[in-house]
Amino acid sequence: EAGVVQSPRYKIIEKKQPVAFWCNPISGHNTLYWYLQNLGQGPELLIRYENEEAVDDSQLPKDRFSAERLKGVDSTLKIQPAELGDSAVYLCASSFAGTSGDTQYFGPGTRLTVL
Amino acid sequence: GQNIDQPTEMTATEGAIVQINCTYQTSGFNGLFWYQQHAGEAPTFLSYNVLDGLEEKGRFSSFLSRSKGYSYLLLKELQMKDSASYLCAVRDTGGFKTIFGAGTRLFVKA
Repeated sequence: EAGVVQSPRYKIIEKKQPVAFWCNPISGHNTLYWYLQNLGQGPELLIRYENEEAVDDSQLPKDRFSAERLKGVDSTLKIQPAELGDSAVYLCASSFAGTSGDTQYFGPGTRLTVL
Repeated sequence: GQNIDQPTEMTATEGAIVQINCTYQTSGFNGLFWYQQHAGEAPTFLSYNVLDGLEEKGRFSSFLSRSKGYSYLLLKELQMKDSASYLCAVRDTGGFKTIFGAGTRLFVKA
């Protein structure tokens, strides 16, 4: 079974430029998460989807960040414009409601560097 | 508030046993997870505890005491490949949000 797929793996951009990340969850997983992880820290939730509905986006900086999951499968996270402080790893995870505690399975992440 | 505490770093010797502690304070509790994360890689699921007691899975065991807000991850017969960060995460009942600790970096030396 394929795991969570993310692309690109690495992205280097200049500040004020836009950037987008893509995630394809594990087949059949209805819940999708986007996390931000800074070096030496744990993942911090940006947004959680149940199917195509964003059920928790309280930590998403909506002035510059947006996300969508149009058909309840894959998802895109966008930053526009990017700032220096956005340099981090962006992790996507998925889970299936009803499994033990909604165990989350993570993708490899996108490492963003903003210059 | 929501808070998860775990030691920043630990060092142990190959073949030994190490215990990584985690204490938490959350408004609600709906399970505790341990994840392993090698440098530059994604977190991978290790264990899930929702009831008090010890869960054993091969060389790894995880313990939970809900009354004390405490968990530990026990790694036996340490191998060099166990050098990684270990993340403690708690699922809150309010919105079912999962909160991650900062992780414990474990160094296994020969």
